[in-house]
Amino acid sequence: SQQGEEDPQALSIQEGENATMNCSYKTSINNLQWYRQNSGRGLVHLILIRSNEREKHSGRLRVTLDTSKKSSSLLITASRAADTASYFCATVQGSSNTGKLIFGQGTTLQVKP
Amino acid sequence: GAVVSQHPSWVICKSGTSVKIECRSLDFQATTMFWYRQFPKQSLMLMATSNEGSKATYEQGVEKDKFLINHASLTLSTLTVTSAHPEDSSFYICSSFWTGLYGYTFGSGTRLTVV
Repeated sequence: SQQGEEDPQALSIQEGENATMNCSYKTSINNLQWYRQNSGRGLVHLILIRSNEREKHSGRLRVTLDTSKKSSSLLITASRAADTASYFCATVQGSSNTGKLIFGQGTTLQVKP
Repeated sequence: GAVVSQHPSWVICKSGTSVKIECRSLDFQATTMFWYRQFPKQSLMLMATSNEGSKATYEQGVEKDKFLINHASLTLSTLTVTSAHPEDSSFYICSSFWTGLYGYTFGSGTRLTVV
């Protein structure tokens, strides 16, 4: 089962612009994670934000978390063509140690050079 | 650390045959393995959860007789797609929890094409 929705489903921007993707989830969480997937490839972990955190940065990535609205956003600043990929948020259902990681529907990002 | 090696990376098989996908944890013990399926342009859908030495738990709507999961050791879990049909063509990815920074590590995926 899917944990939640992501929007937009697809996003096309020019290189240098910022890209913002949103994710909503349904259940209580311990943390929320963002992953990137290049076409036909495996997943790359980008960033994890814990439920007691509101904002986290990693390089050109900024993630926010609003537990009251059960939503998160991923901002990629100064995008590059190499950022073209699909981006997924994921949350854990069940125990934080062995629970199932459930993915959102994803946002497909295209960055035009 | 925490590498999961998944093989094969791609496979083409004839309709009606069975295909086995392997996931091995190389430097940690994978007590639990999650198996996902991903259709083109869609998200990862959890199929089942396997625990070493016990029967797998399947998500609603996943045919357990069609997708056989074996987790006989702490380093190896397998998914066998039995009597594969073209609608089983998909990208299959395994994942395991580990006590590292991010919690989950993923195999590189298997692209299955049934012709």
